[in-house]
Amino acid sequence: QVHLQESGPTVVKPSETLSLTCSVSGGPMNRDYWNWVRQSPGKGLEWIGRVYWTGRTNFNPSLKNRVSLSIDRSASQFSLRLNAVTSADTAVYYCVRDRGCSATTCSGMDVWGQGTTVAVSS
Amino acid sequence: QSVLTQPPSVSGAPGQRVTISCTGTTSNIGGYDVHWYQQLPGRAPTLLIYGNGNRPSGVPDRFSGSKSGTSASLVISGLQAEDEGDYYCQSFDTSLGDSAVFGGGTKVTVL
Repeated sequence: QVHLQESGPTVVKPSETLSLTCSVSGGPMNRDYWNWVRQSPGKGLEWIGRVYWTGRTNFNPSLKNRVSLSIDRSASQFSLRLNAVTSADTAVYYCVRDRGCSATTCSGMDVWGQGTTVAVSS
Repeated sequence: QSVLTQPPSVSGAPGQRVTISCTGTTSNIGGYDVHWYQQLPGRAPTLLIYGNGNRPSGVPDRFSGSKSGTSASLVISGLQAEDEGDYYCQSFDTSLGDSAVFGGGTKVTVL
């Protein structure tokens, strides 16, 4: 049973960089997509981006210029960096696994971390 | 606003059937699978339906999903009090560089 756990600061100052790490336990990080999804207070889910096990990345176009993702399979972790944060980046941040698609169907985001709340405040 | 359109809310009495729609375009639902997530109050989302109509192990069979053209639907048959929460559809969008996209979410209220 794969388990994901987010870690990082709970408060980040405006204009600084938000850095979060997701630790993966219970299984390897091979052949899967590792995502970040966030949820602003009282709002819906927003996909931030994903990193494939090979290191290839995809990003939400609205955040692309400020986001970087990385993966360290040897440490069973993947990470998010979001630059130049503002109050609009205050949210619960989730790390999420997506197993991708087979020839017939796609798996969806099947494992979610519990989420970590990050507030942007001076 | 969200790329995928869902009704903000639906409600029903216990035992009733409710349907949540998810409307997209040819660049997302029309070409990709749709997945559904349930988010109970104060909890992280969980995968409810994957690949348009498949249930992960442990999901009750009162939840079902389908897709037709550029729309998808989630049906809860036999609504229960513990189903109250938010439900989100998700797909991918080629016009956004193969980005994952979510619907705005639908709040299900059990009367």
